[in-house]
Amino acid sequence: EAGVAQSPRYKIIEKRQSVAFWCNPISGHATLYWYQQILGQGPKLLIQFQNNGVVDDSQLPKDRFSAERLKGVDSTLKIQPAKLEDSAVYLCASSLEQDAIFSYEQYFGPGTRLTVT
Amino acid sequence: SQQGEEDPQALSIQEGENATMNCSYKTSINNLQWYRQNSGRGLVHLILIRSNEREKHSGRLRVTLDTSKKSSSLLITASRAADTASYFCATVKTSGSRLTFGEGTQLTVNP
Repeated sequence: EAGVAQSPRYKIIEKRQSVAFWCNPISGHATLYWYQQILGQGPKLLIQFQNNGVVDDSQLPKDRFSAERLKGVDSTLKIQPAKLEDSAVYLCASSLEQDAIFSYEQYFGPGTRLTVT
Repeated sequence: SQQGEEDPQALSIQEGENATMNCSYKTSINNLQWYRQNSGRGLVHLILIRSNEREKHSGRLRVTLDTSKKSSSLLITASRAADTASYFCATVKTSGSRLTFGEGTQLTVNP
């Protein structure tokens, strides 16, 4: 079974530039997540999709971050304009489904390491 | 804010020894999960324990959950150098479905 794919693996940009990350979840997984992981910290959820609808984007800085999941499969996360504090690893994860009570385990991609200079 | 807090922040042991990591959380949960992250890689799910469970085993892993103390522990028995990684607990609250991670414990197993 192919895992969660992410690209690029590394990206270096200057502040105020824009950047986009791509994620392809495991086939058949309805739920897709984007996390931000700052060095030395645990991942923080940015946005959660169920198929192509947004379930939770309460922690997404909407003035500069945007995400979409067209056709309910792959997804892109964009930052425009980037700030120094956006330097982090951006992780994409997917899960099979989510019922009303319990969350199923999440499968993570390798992440994209973003450095903003 | 992060829901879980791991203790210790860092742990160094010799191969063959047992490693115990603890996690405390603040609010009621539906389930608690443990993940492992090797350097520079994504997270790997290790084990999930539901709020009505007290103990769960998976291979060399043993997880306990004490909802009265709002705490969990992860025990890795007979550790190996390959177990060197960061370990995170993550909780799902009863009121929502978001997975909230703690800060992690960095485990180093010396050969």
